[in-house]
Amino acid sequence: TQLLEQSPQFLSIQEGENLTVYCNSSSVFSSLQWYRQEPGEGPVLLVTVVTGGEVKKLKRLTFQFGDARKDSSLHITAAQPGDTGLYLCAGTPIRSGTYKYIFGTGTRLKVLA
Amino acid sequence: NAGVTQTPKFRVLKTGQSMTLLCAQDMNHEYMYWYRQDPGMGLRLIHYSVGEGTTAKGEVPDGYNVSRLKKQNFLLGLESAAPSQTSVYFCASKGQNYEQYFGPGTRLTVT
Repeated sequence: TQLLEQSPQFLSIQEGENLTVYCNSSSVFSSLQWYRQEPGEGPVLLVTVVTGGEVKKLKRLTFQFGDARKDSSLHITAAQPGDTGLYLCAGTPIRSGTYKYIFGTGTRLKVLA
Repeated sequence: NAGVTQTPKFRVLKTGQSMTLLCAQDMNHEYMYWYRQDPGMGLRLIHYSVGEGTTAKGEVPDGYNVSRLKKQNFLLGLESAAPSQTSVYFCASKGQNYEQYFGPGTRLTVT
């Protein structure tokens, strides 16, 4: 059973636009991660959030963990072609300990120059 | 450090054949994982290990077996391959924090 739902599934935008990707669940997570995956490669971790309401910034990327630790968002400001890729959220359900991960279905982003 | 390596990178099997995928990590991580990635499904956990000599089932374990005889290696076996096992397989390892490190993947096609 997939516990993490990502939206949108696909996103095609022009360079310079802003976008937000959402990751939602009815379950509570002890941690939530965001990964970016390039074609032919494994996912690479962008950020981990562990505290409800936590906000982390990584250059033009802003990540937020929901107050109830059931959802998260990734906001990209002034997207660039280099941001193109598959974005995955993953979490450790609180009932499963801190080492068993559930992944979202992914958001495929394409930024056009 | 090589990080996480996987062999082979590509493989084509006929239905009923068997094979073993090898994952190796050089970070002295306790936790290791095998996932499969299918279009529109994200990554799904097949099996995982919390330490040498231990393994546990994940979300989609049927048709697969694993072994962790050495801390640095995690093997995934397909005893009798089926077309439904056509997928990209990723291995990952994790230390004491939350970060998982992924290998480059193995693309398996079962005809």
